[in-house]
Amino acid sequence: AQSVAQPEDQVNVAEGNPLTVKCTYSVSGNPYLFWYVQYPNRGLQFLLKYITGDNLVKGSYGFEAEFNKSQTSFHLKKPSALVSDSALYFCAVRDGGFQKLVFGTGTRLLVSP
Amino acid sequence: NAGVTQTPKFQVLKTGQSMTLQCAQDMNHEYMSWYRQDPGMGLRLIHYSVGAGITDQGEVPNGYNVSRSTTEDFPLRLLSAAPSQTSVYFCASKGGVGTEAFFGQGTRLTVV
Repeated sequence: AQSVAQPEDQVNVAEGNPLTVKCTYSVSGNPYLFWYVQYPNRGLQFLLKYITGDNLVKGSYGFEAEFNKSQTSFHLKKPSALVSDSALYFCAVRDGGFQKLVFGTGTRLLVSP
Repeated sequence: NAGVTQTPKFQVLKTGQSMTLQCAQDMNHEYMSWYRQDPGMGLRLIHYSVGAGITDQGEVPNGYNVSRSTTEDFPLRLLSAAPSQTSVYFCASKGGVGTEAFFGQGTRLTVV
């Protein structure tokens, strides 16, 4: 079965500093990978996805993610964090040939002023 | 364009009661799904549907029923609520392969 792992429960970063939220995956075949963000008391919002092509994927709100096949990773990055980026971030992978998405356990990002 | 609409937003149930969580989407998506979100466990798939009349079980289906009579609607039924079903429930819909899922705002359910 396909899976993703988010090894950090929480990431703390100061405003203006670069941020990285980690995700590793385990899939058979080519991975379809996604990042979502959840603000308090809201549903999940799509940030970006990797299907094929360029290993560096750019998404919403200045976020980007780097697909690394040799390290089976898909880390989310942003060059300069904002306090408003504080939220819960989920990595997800498509489950094989199906439309199902399998989610990681989430990483809480806290950006301090 | 409303996207995915869930009702109600909040609900308190007594143990043993039944209820239906509503989910509707206006994007003509074939694929719809229900997840529950619990602290430290991420989102776990309860049931999903690949089109009207077709449903299947996800990772944690026990205690829940679904049906899909139209493309737009995908209600989730709790048959006999238990405290272990206290959670936040999200409905999502998705288009073709490789497209992203759209989520509703969630239903916060407490079973006492």
